[in-house]
Amino acid sequence: GAVVSQHPSRVICKSGTSVKIECRSLDFQATTMFWYRQFPKQSLMLMATSNEGSKATYEQGVEKDKFLINHASLTLSTLTVTSAHPEDSSFYICSASWVQETQYFGPGTRLLVL
Amino acid sequence: GQQLNQSPQSMFIQEGEDVSMNCTSSSIFNTWLWYKQDPGEGPVLLIALYKAGELTSNGRLTAQFGITRKDSFLNISASIPSDVGIYFCAGQREGSGTYKYIFGTGTRLKVLA
Repeated sequence: GAVVSQHPSRVICKSGTSVKIECRSLDFQATTMFWYRQFPKQSLMLMATSNEGSKATYEQGVEKDKFLINHASLTLSTLTVTSAHPEDSSFYICSASWVQETQYFGPGTRLLVL
Repeated sequence: GQQLNQSPQSMFIQEGEDVSMNCTSSSIFNTWLWYKQDPGEGPVLLIALYKAGELTSNGRLTAQFGITRKDSFLNISASIPSDVGIYFCAGQREGSGTYKYIFGTGTRLKVLA
Protein backbone atom coordinates (compact mmCIF):
# COMPACT_ATOMS: atom_id res chain seq x y z
CA GLY A 1 0.00 0.00 0.00
CA ALA A 2 0.80 3.71 0.05
CA VAL A 3 1.93 3.99 -3.56
CA VAL A 4 2.46 7.39 -5.12
CA SER A 5 3.10 7.86 -8.81
CA GLN A 6 4.45 10.80 -10.77
CA HIS A 7 4.20 11.58 -14.43
CA PRO A 8 6.23 12.20 -16.44
CA SER A 9 9.38 10.67 -14.99
CA ARG A 10 11.50 13.01 -17.05
CA VAL A 11 10.85 15.89 -19.38
CA ILE A 12 12.93 18.10 -21.60
CA CYS A 13 11.44 21.37 -22.74
CA LYS A 14 12.41 24.61 -24.40
CA SER A 15 12.89 27.76 -22.40
CA GLY A 16 9.67 29.74 -22.12
CA THR A 17 7.31 26.78 -22.26
CA SER A 18 5.21 25.43 -19.40
CA VAL A 19 5.46 21.95 -17.99
CA LYS A 20 2.87 20.08 -15.95
CA ILE A 21 3.81 17.32 -13.53
CA GLU A 22 1.18 15.02 -12.07
CA CYS A 23 1.26 13.34 -8.68
CA ARG A 24 -1.21 10.59 -7.87
CA SER A 25 -1.84 8.54 -4.77
CA LEU A 26 -2.82 5.15 -6.18
CA ASP A 27 -4.19 3.24 -3.23
CA PHE A 28 -5.18 5.84 -0.67
CA GLN A 29 -6.80 9.22 -0.45
CA ALA A 30 -4.29 11.96 0.22
CA THR A 31 -5.62 14.85 2.23
CA THR A 32 -2.31 16.63 1.82
CA MET A 33 0.30 16.56 -0.91
CA PHE A 34 3.69 18.18 -0.82
CA TRP A 35 5.98 19.30 -3.62
CA TYR A 36 9.74 19.26 -3.18
CA ARG A 37 12.68 20.26 -5.28
CA GLN A 38 16.03 18.55 -5.03
CA PHE A 39 19.33 19.71 -6.47
CA PRO A 40 22.16 17.22 -7.08
CA LYS A 41 23.67 15.87 -3.89
CA GLN A 42 21.39 17.96 -1.73
CA SER A 43 18.45 17.33 0.51
CA LEU A 44 14.81 17.86 -0.34
CA MET A 45 13.55 21.42 -0.18
CA LEU A 46 9.84 21.86 0.40
CA MET A 47 8.25 24.12 -2.18
CA ALA A 48 4.60 24.00 -1.20
CA THR A 49 1.90 22.15 0.69
CA SER A 50 -1.43 21.52 -0.95
CA ASN A 51 -4.68 20.38 0.56
CA GLU A 52 -7.50 19.04 -1.56
CA GLY A 53 -9.88 21.76 -2.62
CA SER A 54 -7.92 24.66 -1.23
CA LYS A 55 -5.08 26.91 -2.27
CA ALA A 56 -1.55 25.69 -1.84
CA THR A 57 0.69 27.14 0.85
CA TYR A 58 4.05 28.12 -0.57
CA GLU A 59 7.34 28.21 1.28
CA GLN A 60 9.21 31.44 1.57
CA GLY A 61 11.04 32.28 -1.62
CA VAL A 62 8.93 30.07 -3.87
CA GLU A 63 7.06 32.04 -6.54
CA LYS A 64 3.46 30.92 -6.59
CA ASP A 65 2.89 32.39 -10.04
CA LYS A 66 5.85 30.44 -11.31
CA PHE A 67 4.96 27.12 -9.74
CA LEU A 68 1.22 26.62 -10.01
CA ILE A 69 -0.21 23.89 -7.85
CA ASN A 70 -3.65 22.37 -8.19
CA HIS A 71 -5.05 19.72 -5.86
CA ALA A 72 -8.36 18.95 -7.49
CA SER A 73 -9.06 15.61 -5.85
CA LEU A 74 -7.92 13.42 -2.99
CA THR A 75 -5.75 11.41 -5.37
CA LEU A 76 -4.29 14.00 -7.73
CA SER A 77 -2.15 17.09 -7.43
CA THR A 78 -0.41 18.87 -10.29
CA LEU A 79 2.57 21.18 -10.40
CA THR A 80 2.91 23.44 -13.42
CA VAL A 81 6.21 25.17 -14.01
CA THR A 82 5.24 28.21 -16.04
CA SER A 83 7.56 29.87 -18.54
CA ALA A 84 10.34 27.50 -17.59
CA HIS A 85 13.94 28.63 -17.73
CA PRO A 86 17.19 26.66 -17.45
CA GLU A 87 17.50 27.52 -13.76
CA ASP A 88 14.24 25.65 -13.18
CA SER A 89 15.94 22.43 -14.23
CA SER A 90 15.83 20.13 -11.24
CA PHE A 91 14.41 16.96 -9.73
CA TYR A 92 10.86 17.55 -8.55
CA ILE A 93 9.34 15.09 -6.08
CA CYS A 94 5.86 14.95 -4.64
CA SER A 95 4.69 13.21 -1.51
CA ALA A 96 1.25 12.36 -0.21
CA SER A 97 -0.18 11.95 3.23
CA TRP A 98 -3.62 10.95 4.56
CA VAL A 99 -2.91 11.72 8.18
CA GLN A 100 -0.33 14.15 9.41
CA GLU A 101 2.00 11.41 10.53
CA THR A 102 3.60 9.95 7.44
CA GLN A 103 4.54 11.02 3.93
CA TYR A 104 4.96 8.69 0.98
CA PHE A 105 6.98 9.91 -1.96
CA GLY A 106 6.57 9.60 -5.67
CA PRO A 107 9.48 8.50 -7.87
CA GLY A 108 10.29 12.05 -8.94
CA THR A 109 10.34 13.98 -12.20
CA ARG A 110 13.55 15.19 -13.73
CA LEU A 111 13.05 18.45 -15.60
CA LEU A 112 15.60 19.78 -18.04
CA VAL A 113 14.96 23.15 -19.58
CA LEU A 114 17.05 23.96 -22.63
CA GLY B 1 14.36 26.37 4.38
CA GLN B 2 15.13 24.82 7.72
CA GLN B 3 16.96 21.51 7.80
CA LEU B 4 17.91 19.06 10.48
CA ASN B 5 21.51 18.30 11.36
CA GLN B 6 22.30 14.81 10.19
CA SER B 7 25.59 13.01 10.70
CA PRO B 8 27.75 11.70 9.38
CA GLN B 9 27.45 13.39 5.98
CA SER B 10 28.94 10.36 4.30
CA MET B 11 30.57 7.11 5.20
CA PHE B 12 32.39 4.24 3.57
CA ILE B 13 32.06 0.92 5.30
CA GLN B 14 32.97 -2.68 4.66
CA GLU B 15 30.25 -5.15 3.82
CA GLY B 16 29.06 -6.84 6.98
CA GLU B 17 29.75 -3.89 9.25
CA ASP B 18 27.11 -2.14 11.29
CA VAL B 19 26.21 1.48 10.51
CA SER B 20 24.91 4.23 12.74
CA MET B 21 23.65 7.67 11.81
CA ASN B 22 21.71 10.30 13.67
CA CYS B 23 19.64 13.40 13.34
CA THR B 24 19.55 16.22 15.87
CA SER B 25 17.64 19.41 16.36
CA SER B 26 17.25 22.22 18.84
CA SER B 27 13.47 21.85 18.58
CA ILE B 28 11.15 19.18 19.94
CA PHE B 29 9.63 16.84 17.37
CA ASN B 30 6.42 14.81 17.41
CA THR B 31 7.34 12.38 14.67
CA TRP B 32 10.50 11.10 13.07
CA LEU B 33 10.70 9.37 9.71
CA TRP B 34 13.68 7.71 8.07
CA TYR B 35 13.94 7.40 4.29
CA LYS B 36 16.40 5.90 1.80
CA GLN B 37 16.86 7.45 -1.61
CA ASP B 38 18.54 5.75 -4.54
CA PRO B 39 19.95 7.88 -7.38
CA GLY B 40 17.26 9.31 -9.64
CA GLU B 41 14.41 8.01 -7.51
CA GLY B 42 12.11 9.28 -4.81
CA PRO B 43 12.77 8.55 -1.12
CA VAL B 44 11.37 5.31 0.23
CA LEU B 45 10.05 5.21 3.77
CA LEU B 46 12.04 2.87 6.02
CA ILE B 47 10.78 3.48 9.53
CA ALA B 48 8.30 5.82 11.21
CA LEU B 49 8.54 6.78 14.90
CA TYR B 50 5.74 8.44 16.85
CA LYS B 51 6.67 8.32 20.53
CA ALA B 52 9.66 9.42 22.57
CA GLY B 53 11.84 6.43 23.37
CA GLU B 54 10.23 4.28 20.69
CA LEU B 55 12.52 1.69 19.18
CA THR B 56 11.36 0.18 15.90
CA SER B 57 12.95 -2.36 13.59
CA ASN B 58 12.48 -3.13 9.92
CA GLY B 59 14.65 -6.11 9.02
CA ARG B 60 18.26 -5.12 9.55
CA LEU B 61 17.28 -1.53 10.27
CA THR B 62 16.52 -0.20 13.72
CA ALA B 63 15.56 3.36 14.54
CA GLN B 64 14.93 5.13 17.81
CA PHE B 65 13.03 8.25 18.77
CA GLY B 66 15.26 10.05 21.28
CA ILE B 67 14.00 10.52 24.83
CA THR B 68 14.56 14.27 24.62
CA ARG B 69 12.44 14.31 21.42
CA LYS B 70 15.19 16.33 19.78
CA ASP B 71 16.98 13.50 18.05
CA SER B 72 16.66 10.18 16.32
CA PHE B 73 19.04 7.39 15.39
CA LEU B 74 19.14 4.83 12.60
CA ASN B 75 21.23 1.69 12.75
CA ILE B 76 21.85 -0.78 9.95
CA SER B 77 23.27 -4.12 10.95
CA ALA B 78 25.42 -6.36 8.77
CA SER B 79 25.47 -3.98 5.82
CA ILE B 80 25.24 -5.30 2.28
CA PRO B 81 26.08 -3.62 -1.06
CA SER B 82 22.43 -2.74 -1.76
CA ASP B 83 22.39 -0.55 1.36
CA VAL B 84 24.23 2.03 -0.71
CA GLY B 85 22.26 5.24 -1.03
CA ILE B 86 21.35 8.41 0.77
CA TYR B 87 19.51 8.20 4.05
CA PHE B 88 17.35 11.10 5.17
CA CYS B 89 15.68 11.74 8.47
CA ALA B 90 12.56 13.88 8.57
CA GLY B 91 10.86 15.35 11.59
CA GLN B 92 7.57 17.02 12.33
CA ARG B 93 8.13 19.83 14.80
CA GLU B 94 5.83 20.10 17.78
CA GLY B 95 3.63 23.15 17.67
CA SER B 96 4.29 23.83 14.01
CA GLY B 97 0.57 23.68 13.35
CA THR B 98 1.19 22.11 9.98
CA TYR B 99 1.72 18.71 8.45
CA LYS B 100 5.11 19.76 7.15
CA TYR B 101 8.25 17.76 7.74
CA ILE B 102 11.74 19.15 8.01
CA PHE B 103 14.38 17.03 6.31
CA GLY B 104 17.89 16.24 7.37
CA THR B 105 20.88 17.00 5.22
CA GLY B 106 21.32 13.32 4.39
CA THR B 107 23.89 10.62 5.05
CA ARG B 108 25.50 9.17 1.96
CA LEU B 109 26.40 5.53 2.53
CA LYS B 110 28.82 3.54 0.44
CA VAL B 111 29.44 -0.11 1.13
CA LEU B 112 32.67 -1.73 0.03
CA ALA B 113 32.29 -5.37 -0.91
